[in-house]
Order: sequence, then C-alpha cells, then structure tokens
Amino acid sequence: QTVVTQEPSLTVSPGGTVTLTCASSTGAVTSGYYPNWFQQKPGQAPRALIYSTSNKHSWTPARFSGSLLGGKAALTLSGVQPEDEAEYYCLLYYGGVEVFGTGTKVTVL
Amino acid sequence: QITLKESGPTLVKPTQTLTLTCTFSGFSLSTSGVGVGWIRQPPGKALEWLALIYWNDDKRYSPSLKSRLTITKDTSKNQVVLTMTNMDPVDTATYYCAHRPDMVQGTYDYWGQGTLVTVSS
Repeated sequence: QTVVTQEPSLTVSPGGTVTLTCASSTGAVTSGYYPNWFQQKPGQAPRALIYSTSNKHSWTPARFSGSLLGGKAALTLSGVQPEDEAEYYCLLYYGGVEVFGTGTKVTVL
Repeated sequence: QITLKESGPTLVKPTQTLTLTCTFSGFSLSTSGVGVGWIRQPPGKALEWLALIYWNDDKRYSPSLKSRLTITKDTSKNQVVLTMTNMDPVDTATYYCAHRPDMVQGTYDYWGQGTLVTVSS
C-alpha cells in the first residue's frame, strides 16, 4: 500500500517562511505525480491551493508556492499570516489511483 | 458558480450499505475531462481518497476499498452516487465530494461541505 508522508507539525513566526514536504513510499516524487496541495481549517472542507506541482488556483494567495525539492513535492509559505494556521494536505496521482498525504499542522506563533 | 452538496444518512448500522449522493450545479458531467470524486475524513484524522468518476463513465477506486465501493453518475440529475457496502465503525467519517475540472491536470478545485456519517449499532 502506497504511503504519502508529510511532516506532522511545523511552527512558523508571523512574516516568516516555512516549507512543507510530501514524500512517496514508492520513491522520488516527480511532476508526473501531479502534486496537489490543500489547506483545511477546523470544521471546514479542504480548500485547493496548488495543482500540478506549482500551478495556483485563481484564489490562491501569492505567498503560497509549490515545487519539487529533493525528490519530494514541496509547499512554501512566504510571509506567513496568522490566517495560514491550518492543516495542509498533499495529494499524489499514481496513474489512476490517488493518495492523500498524512497532513501537516502549521502553527503560526 | 460551482457548488456541490453531499446527502445521505447520518447514522448507519454495522454491516449495512451506505448510499451517499452528491448533487452539484455549475458544471455538467457530460463535459469532456470533467469528473467528481469522493474523499472521506475520520474525526481528527487525515483525508482519504475513495473514488472518482469521469464524464465518459471511467471509474477509479481506492485499491484498499475497491471491493466495497461503487460510484455511478446520473448526468440528467447532476448527481453522483457512492455506495459502500458492509459498513464498520471505522468507516465513521465526514464524506466529501469534489469537482475535478480536468482529467489531465488532476485537481479537486471545488468541494462540498461534507456530511458526517456515523457507523454504530
């Protein structure tokens, strides 16, 4: 069974920068896995942020960016705002089967 | 404006079959490339991808749940139905449906609000 692993938690100061990563148990993550990133706040449905590694939706704030880093998918938050405190999930595509990551809780402190 | 809404029972008994309906507006499941997926989230846990159906009736399932899941669409009613057999307490979760705009790029851009299903006798 494929497992997609994320950091359980990260803490960042307001205005700071933090990078979340998304690793696959099958090996290096490439653009062919079409990495997606979602933000979820308590009691809310997930909100799409990034698709196909680095593409932003029309509503995605400019401070969010996606990339590939060291064989993993990565989400970087630059100039973090208090409202960015949330759980973040990646999603990888395995040729018709899709797997969400374990999630990263980002705390802004 | 794209909207999706999940509906179905809030409580099911173990061994029963769950049937959830996703009713959507703002897009058509007869449009090339478009799909609707189902994702669930047990309380306090991570998201889990369940199934996806495309405009051309191509269906994809989570390998670990494939034997229990069936996804269908009714294009005329703008609905997608997910059935899950042999429900167990571990299936207690909020179930979401979501819109896939493009078969190639593979994202879920719009989500329903979710519906909490509790499995208990």
